[in-house]
Amino acid sequence: GAVVSQHPSWVICKSGTSVKIECRSLDFQATTMFWYRQFPKQSLMLMATSNEGSKATYEQGVEKDKFLINHASLTLSTLTVTSAHPEDSSFYICSAREFIRGRDGYTFGSGTRLTVV
Amino acid sequence: AQSVTQLDSHVSVSEGTPVLLRCNYSSSYSPSLFWYVQHPNKGLQLLLKYTSAATLVKGINGFEAEFKKSETSFHLTKPSAHMSDAAEYFCVVRITGGGNKLTFGTGTQLKVEL
Repeated sequence: GAVVSQHPSWVICKSGTSVKIECRSLDFQATTMFWYRQFPKQSLMLMATSNEGSKATYEQGVEKDKFLINHASLTLSTLTVTSAHPEDSSFYICSAREFIRGRDGYTFGSGTRLTVV
Repeated sequence: AQSVTQLDSHVSVSEGTPVLLRCNYSSSYSPSLFWYVQHPNKGLQLLLKYTSAATLVKGINGFEAEFKKSETSFHLTKPSAHMSDAAEYFCVVRITGGGNKLTFGTGTQLKVEL
């Protein structure tokens, strides 16, 4: 089945530094990738949608200069949290959509736990 | 606008008894609905999805859900709970014409007791 690899699974960084999270679709080409943020014991909140080769579309209230998304190929999207602060600590999850040859599904990565100290 | 409402934030059942997790949807169009499960500090796994085919949808691990248009519901059921079913469950609707984004319910924490 479709597999999405997300790395790292957890990261601790100092306040003011930047962190990059990778999301790769391993055995399919993802027409669209999505980035979510999840606070403890809460639901997933969509941050942005990205299509290969084009700029990401951010949800209202999400700072695009802080959360940089690059979707360089059909199998790789990255989320960079720039100048991270403790309030950016959260669980980040990516999802890749495959929509080709009659297949239409969303596959989620295993998530990245970011802690900013 | 499409949305889903999960009626229970916590559900507790005994092992071997039935599971019912409730979800109501709101949509002007025929919706695509999903149930996902999330174990602690993990990503999400698709249990099942409804996309306007059969109204009774069978998923993995013995779960199933029935799409009831008259009740705008898509409740998740399982005849017999197992300890390994303890997790967070999300009811999800796909936004039609909105970039195919998914909107998540607030989640239901399922606890399975011996």
